[in-house]
Formats: sequence, C-alpha cells, structure tokens
Amino acid sequence: NAGVTQTPKFQVLKTGQSMTLQCAQDMNHEYMSWYRQDPGMGLRLIHYSVGAGITDQGEVPNGYNVSRSTTEDFPLRLLSAAPSQTSVYFCASSYRGQERDEQFFGPGTRLTVL
Amino acid sequence: AQSVTQLGSHVSVSEGALVLLRCNYSSSVPPYLFWYVQYPNQGLQLLLKYTTGATLVKGINGFEAEFKKSETSFHLTKPSAHMSDAAEYFCAVRSRTGGYNKLIFGAGTRLAVHP
Repeated sequence: NAGVTQTPKFQVLKTGQSMTLQCAQDMNHEYMSWYRQDPGMGLRLIHYSVGAGITDQGEVPNGYNVSRSTTEDFPLRLLSAAPSQTSVYFCASSYRGQERDEQFFGPGTRLTVL
Repeated sequence: AQSVTQLGSHVSVSEGALVLLRCNYSSSVPPYLFWYVQYPNQGLQLLLKYTTGATLVKGINGFEAEFKKSETSFHLTKPSAHMSDAAEYFCAVRSRTGGYNKLIFGAGTRLAVHP
C-alpha cells in the first residue's frame, strides 16, 4: 500500500512552459485535492475532486487545470508557468464521509519557475 | 467565512519542557478541528482531530488538544518536548456541513526543540 504518491519530487521550469504534476493513490479514496504551500500562508486549496469525472475549484485555481478520469489519479496541469507559481505542491486524498475523512498527503513536489 | 489563526510562527522550547502551540478559529458554527504535523521535506500527517464528544482529544506522539468553544480555541500541548518533535505544525478547520471536506489551514508554527 503506497498511499499517496507524487511525481516529480523537484521541477524547475521557465516562465511560459507547461507541465503536469502527477498524483496517484491506491486506497480507493473518493476525494482528492491539490494544495500549494507557501511560507507564512499554510496550505491553500487549488482544485479538488469528489469522484471520477467530478472536479471543482478551490481558493486559488487560476493558472491550473485538473481532470479525474480514474479514481486513482488526479493530475495537476500548469498551462503557462509563472514565477508566482513557485511553491511546494501537495496532493491529498480521503474517503467520503465525515467520520472517515482524514486527508492523507503525498510527499510533495517542489516547483521553481524562473 | 471560516479562518484559522496560529499565534507565533516560531516557537522554541528546551527538551523536556511543555509544548504549547496556539490555534484560534473563526466560524459561525463550531467546525471540525485538526492538527497536522509536517516533518522536513515530508507531507502532512494527522496528529489529532476533534469532531464531537469529549473536548480533550489525545493524538499521536503524546500530543493532545482541547476544544474550548467559549474561547474559539484548539491549542495543542505536549507535557515534555522531545528532539523528534521539531517540525512545523498546522491547525486546520472544516465545516460541519457540505459534501466535500474542505480544510482551511492556519499559517503554521515551526517548533524548535533544543537540548
């Protein structure tokens, strides 16, 4: 049971480049989320999904796209990278239901945009 | 709208001393409350949570937190700090209503433990 996995661990992009951050979970969780972590700001929700084929925006969705074609995978796409997107990105997953909704976090992807 | 305030971005204690990390929330209805810990270069791990029932909640690694509705607080404590407790700690809340478990995080408190 690998839990939540994220690739890559580190990435450097130039302004304007696009890329996809990968996230996968093997716990059959319905809910998946993407957060970004910036110093002094905690974690902020970018996008989330309550099941395959269903996604919605969080607090800071601009510049990011998501899709969820399977229960296991929830990739995050940066369409045209900007220096303001330099951050650490975390993927999380959980069961649906209030008593089972502990979110499990991946190890993170550290992204630098030059 | 819900919000979370963690007092003190950095806290330093001696090994064996009491750890107290402060968290206050703002919400019209008492939310679910969480504490997460993040060790260097790792993801977040749940320490403990309050949903209902007893207001004193015990978590992993000897940590506990008490929900005080009158003070809108959920402070995290540990009687005796250990070097391995050095990490960043995040308080988070989520609404009791709604279909998705959206977490609102505080800015975090970095705990340093010195010999």
